[in-house]
Amino acid sequence: KQEVTQIPAALSVPEGENLVLNCSFTDSAIYNLQWFRQDPGKGLTSLLLIQSSQREQTSGRLNASLDKSSGRSTLYIAASQPGDSATYLCAVVNRDDKIIFGKGTRLHILP
Amino acid sequence: ETGVTQTPRHLVMGMTNKKSLKCEQHLGHNAMYWYKQSAKKPLELMFVYSLEERVENNSVPSRFSPECPNSSHLFLHLHTLQPEDSALYLCASSQGGSHEQYFGPGTRLTVT
Repeated sequence: KQEVTQIPAALSVPEGENLVLNCSFTDSAIYNLQWFRQDPGKGLTSLLLIQSSQREQTSGRLNASLDKSSGRSTLYIAASQPGDSATYLCAVVNRDDKIIFGKGTRLHILP
Repeated sequence: ETGVTQTPRHLVMGMTNKKSLKCEQHLGHNAMYWYKQSAKKPLELMFVYSLEERVENNSVPSRFSPECPNSSHLFLHLHTLQPEDSALYLCASSQGGSHEQYFGPGTRLTVT
């Protein structure tokens, strides 16, 4: 059974710092992995989607990597800003089309 | 309207009420989803519709009843809910089951 873990559950960093959020999964037979952002009480906004054949994806200050063999993905945020404060979720889609979410990392950027 | 919309945004209902949540997607997608998000729990997939047919029901109690009349609309009918059903209910859509999912803003449901 696929399990998705995100550590840490919460993170506070000063503005301007680069940071890395981690996501691990137990079954490497995935179709893709997606990173989302969620603001309090709101829906999810898709940030990056990495297909199983890809190693990384970049969008602006965000870079997501995927290492299927080790069951890991990271989301790198460069030059963090207060507006980056949110909960970041990763989700994997298994080969049987089931999508499994992690519990998220709550990120707070200190001004 | 663009993207995925959900109405109402907030709903308070008693345990004996009947209400419905509505989701509409304007993206031309062929798959739609209902999720439940409770505090300190991962997002839970409730229902999946692909080409207007239900393809997955993750053992959701029968007090939740989905309806997908066409590829753009998805409903979640609620009746005799319990206080523990209070949560944020999110709708999403995608093109196919394995592609990028787009989420609506959610309905914050409180059962009193």
